Amino acid sequence: EAGVTQFPSHSVIEKGQTVTLRCDPISGHDNLYWYRRVMGKEIKFLLHFVKESKQDESGMPNNRFLAERTGGTYSTLKVQPAELEDSGVYFCASSPRDPNTGELFFGEGSRLTVL
Amino acid sequence: SQQGEEDPQALSIQEGENATMNCSYKTSINNLQWYRQNSGRGLVHLILIRSNEREKHSGRLRVTLDTSKKSSSLLITASRAADTASYFCATVRMDSNYQLIWGAGTKLIIKP
Repeated sequence: EAGVTQFPSHSVIEKGQTVTLRCDPISGHDNLYWYRRVMGKEIKFLLHFVKESKQDESGMPNNRFLAERTGGTYSTLKVQPAELEDSGVYFCASSPRDPNTGELFFGEGSRLTVL
Repeated sequence: SQQGEEDPQALSIQEGENATMNCSYKTSINNLQWYRQNSGRGLVHLILIRSNEREKHSGRLRVTLDTSKKSSSLLITASRAADTASYFCATVRMDSNYQLIWGAGTKLIIKP
């Protein structure tokens, strides 16, 4: 069974440009999460989808970030326009319909460098 | 303020020795989880311990949870070079919707 896949693995862009990160969760997992780790800081929650609905987006830093999950399958996270402080690793995770076990399955992350 | 805080920040031991990492948190939790991250790779779930559990084992891993002290420890016995990685604790608060709150991690180096 394929795990959570993320694309691109690394993106280097200039300040002011736009980047779109993609996450393909494990097939059948209704829950999809985005987390990020900026340099030297702890991993922080961004948002949580249940199928195509945003269950919790309290961690989204500002309106330059837009996450979508059309059709309840893959998700995209767009940063527009990117700022220097957006640099970091963006992790996507998924979990089955019943998340009582709490275990999340993570992708390998998308490293974003904003110059 | 940071919910989960691991110590030590870095730990270097000889292969075969035991490694102990600690995690403290601030609020009431539903469960606490430990994850491993090999360099440049994704986070891998190791073990989950619920707030009503005190100890849990999985292979060479032993996790304890002390809710009165709001702390947890991860013990890796008979360490191997392949255990070299960063280890993170993450908590799920009682009032959250499975949102994980992460510590800064412990970087573990196993010397052959």
